[in-house]
Amino acid sequence: IQLTQSPSFMSASVGDRVTITCRASQDISSFLAWYQQKPGKAPNLLIYAASTLQTGVPSRFSGRGSGTEFTVTISSLQPEDFATYYCQQLARDPYSFGQGTKLEIK
Amino acid sequence: EVQLVESGGGLVQPGESLRLSCAASGFSFSTYAMGWVRQTPGKGLEWVSVISGSGDRTSYPDSLKGRISISRDNSKNTLYLEMNSLRAEDTALYYCAKDLYASGSLIFDSWGQGILVTVSS
Repeated sequence: IQLTQSPSFMSASVGDRVTITCRASQDISSFLAWYQQKPGKAPNLLIYAASTLQTGVPSRFSGRGSGTEFTVTISSLQPEDFATYYCQQLARDPYSFGQGTKLEIK
Repeated sequence: EVQLVESGGGLVQPGESLRLSCAASGFSFSTYAMGWVRQTPGKGLEWVSVISGSGDRTSYPDSLKGRISISRDNSKNTLYLEMNSLRAEDTALYYCAKDLYASGSLIFDSWGQGILVTVSS
């Protein structure tokens, strides 16, 4: 299953609302997770089952979608949110990741 | 606090073998599945393997089956990844990761800092 994230790169300002999209090449129901990765650090789980917020993740993050189209939205960007975001499908082996979306400060 | 510390990486020649270890602390190790994920600048994140909490079930992508083996020692709170017949394309940063569940959902809620494996002559 191929996962395609869009955009691959985006710039935004603190306080902006941003949405990143992940499209799957096949129906994966709600078997999707989102991770945030900062430079030099390991990925950090944000959302799983498409819309369940991981414990400790700020409520400005939200996930939606099912089937083949998914989104993660940050309602009001904070300085610590500038990072690369990855989706991962958990429906079928091999459990692939998207190519990433790099979110930079405008 | 969950801590995962990988070790055993380094420079190896093509065709050689390597065993990575991951020392876990801060949680009930045997309760959770564990996995390995690798990352390269070119291919991004790639799932490598997962093992159930009890160690009785493992899973690998077809692309790596036969060359890698995941195992765990619950008495030592340690996860292992044995890699054989290493190739240049196995060069990557390898992460040890804790699964959210015992069965192996591949939802990884804690990660180590990563260990670099370089395969080169």
